[in-house]
Amino acid sequence: QVHLVQSGAEVRKPGASVKVSCKASGYTFIKFVVHWVRQAPGQGLEWMGWINAANGNTRYSQKFQGRVTFTLDTSASTAYMELNSLKSEDTALYYCARDFEYCSGGSCPGYWGQGTQVTVSS
Amino acid sequence: DIQMTQSPSTLSASVGDRVTITCRASQSVNSWLAWYQQKPGKAPNFLIYKVSSLRSGVPSRFSGSGSGTEFTLTISSLQPDDFATYYCQQFHTYPWTFGQGTKVEIK
Repeated sequence: QVHLVQSGAEVRKPGASVKVSCKASGYTFIKFVVHWVRQAPGQGLEWMGWINAANGNTRYSQKFQGRVTFTLDTSASTAYMELNSLKSEDTALYYCARDFEYCSGGSCPGYWGQGTQVTVSS
Repeated sequence: DIQMTQSPSTLSASVGDRVTITCRASQSVNSWLAWYQQKPGKAPNFLIYKVSSLRSGVPSRFSGSGSGTEFTLTISSLQPDDFATYYCQQFHTYPWTFGQGTKVEIK
């Protein structure tokens, strides 16, 4: 059974960085892409990008390019999302999600973590 | 970016009703469309991929159709567990984009 467990809530000041972890279990970690999606309070879903756990290749949404970094610790079956130069508009629930096996690779966030609340406030 | 527009934004319905949600893309996404359900305080739940393929375990009262720029999610007989917000997502062109959501509430 696929299970993704994310790290706990974070509070940061504007200009700071945050790193969120996503520990996977129930499947072979290196076989699937991990997506990152965020949801601002009361808003819809925003796709940030993905990382291929097989080789570390990444695809970032242009909106976040240069400010976000996805990394892996394959020995711990864990993916990380680091967001820099935080602004108040980055206050959101950040989700990791494993790719769905029957979509084209890197297409469908099929199995979701519980989300990590990141609050940016002075 | 491809813009995904859902209608209506909110839908009031009763248990047993047939419900249809529309998702329109600003340009063709062929059949690269998925649907998600989200309940308050919970992560999204992946329902349908490639327009009409139901994920294993999703009740058969859910169905998807469409192609190109216009898509629909239909719930044939609304159940109490179905009151939630639904999102479409295109995976034709990067960045993947979601619709703004359709909230299905109790009438």
